[in-house]
Amino acid sequence: QVQLQESGPGLVKPSETLSLTCTVSGASIRNFYWSWIRLTPGKALEWVGYVHHSGITNYKPSLKSRVTILVDTSRNQFSLKLTSVTKADTAVYYCARGMCRDNKCYFEPDLWGPGTLVSVSS
Amino acid sequence: DIQLTQSPSSLSASVGDRVTITCRASHNIEKYLNWYQHKPGKAPNLLMYGASSLQSGVPSRFSGGGSGTEFTLTISSLQPEDFVTYYCQQSHSTPLTFGGGTRVEIK
Repeated sequence: QVQLQESGPGLVKPSETLSLTCTVSGASIRNFYWSWIRLTPGKALEWVGYVHHSGITNYKPSLKSRVTILVDTSRNQFSLKLTSVTKADTAVYYCARGMCRDNKCYFEPDLWGPGTLVSVSS
Repeated sequence: DIQLTQSPSSLSASVGDRVTITCRASHNIEKYLNWYQHKPGKAPNLLMYGASSLQSGVPSRFSGGGSGTEFTLTISSLQPEDFVTYYCQQSHSTPLTFGGGTRVEIK
């Protein structure tokens, strides 16, 4: 059974860097797309970006200057770094796996982690 | 960015009712539309992909339809566990975007 689990600090100070890790168990991180998505306090879902196991990335344009998503195949993990955070970055952050069907893989998610709340506050 | 507008934003219904949620896209997204169910504190769950394909393990009371700019999610007979929030999401182009959500409440 494939499972995803987010980990990282639950509190980050304004202007600092938010760092999260997603650990994948039950399957290899290879051959899939992996995304970070966040749920704002207003209950809006916002896609942050994805990484492919090959290292290819794609980020939401409005966040692109502050986001880095990396994959670590040796640890079966991928990570999110978001710099210069503000209160607007307070959200529940989810990691998610892109779906594969008919021997082709896509970036839209079919499996999500339970999420981790990150609050930005001094 | 492609905007997705869900309606209604909330609805009240009873167990056994048939309900339909609509998702409208700002541009033609063909059939690149997925639906997720989200229970508070849990991971969102993929219900439908490609507008009308049922994800493995999802009960057959869920169905989806539409193409282009208008899509629907129908629950044929609401069960107690269905009273949660539903989101549509387009994968036609990046950035991936989501609808604002529809909360299904018990009447």
